[in-house]
Amino acid sequence: NAGVTQTPKFQVLKTGQSMTLQCAQDMNHEYMSWYRQDPGMGLRLIHYSVGAGITDQGEVPNGYNVSRSTTEDFPLRLLSAAPSQTSVYFCASKLGAATDTQYFGPGTRLTVL
Amino acid sequence: GQSLEQPSEVTAVEGAIVQINCTYQTSGFYGLSWYQQHDGGAPTFLSYNALDGLEETGRFSSFLSRSDSYGYLLLQELQMKDSASYFCAVGGGFKTIFGAGTRLFVKA
Repeated sequence: NAGVTQTPKFQVLKTGQSMTLQCAQDMNHEYMSWYRQDPGMGLRLIHYSVGAGITDQGEVPNGYNVSRSTTEDFPLRLLSAAPSQTSVYFCASKLGAATDTQYFGPGTRLTVL
Repeated sequence: GQSLEQPSEVTAVEGAIVQINCTYQTSGFYGLSWYQQHDGGAPTFLSYNALDGLEETGRFSSFLSRSDSYGYLLLQELQMKDSASYFCAVGGGFKTIFGAGTRLFVKA
């Protein structure tokens, strides 16, 4: 049982490039979410999904797209990277709405030059 | 909107007890959670209060007062390894919103 996995661990992009951050979980959790964390700050919700085929926006969705074709996978796409998107990105999953026990992946550290 | 407030830093000595407070404003409230994050690591779940009162898990306890929109995390018998950031978070169904975090420094 690997829990929540994320790839890559580190990434450097140039302004304007696009890329996809991968997230997968093997706990059969319905709920998955993406957060970004900037230095000295809390986690801000980017997008979330309540099940395959269902996604919605969080607090800071601009510049990011998501899709959920399977229960296991929830990729985050940066459409045209900007320096303001330099951050640490965490994917998380939980069983459902009735619980708030979220399991986090190890994070992806992204730098946009 | 939703917002959470918690102190930015707390310092305590090894073996002591420390309380980290959290006040929140939210539309739609399921419960208050606490997470721990060590430098360079991922947040890990500590506790969850859906109802008023105290929840105890080993050296950690968490309290919630829904009428006061207030909660706290209590850490007892502090150890050096407890030096980390602690985040309160409110869950409103499918969205979980985090506070900015409290940095705890434990001194020998």
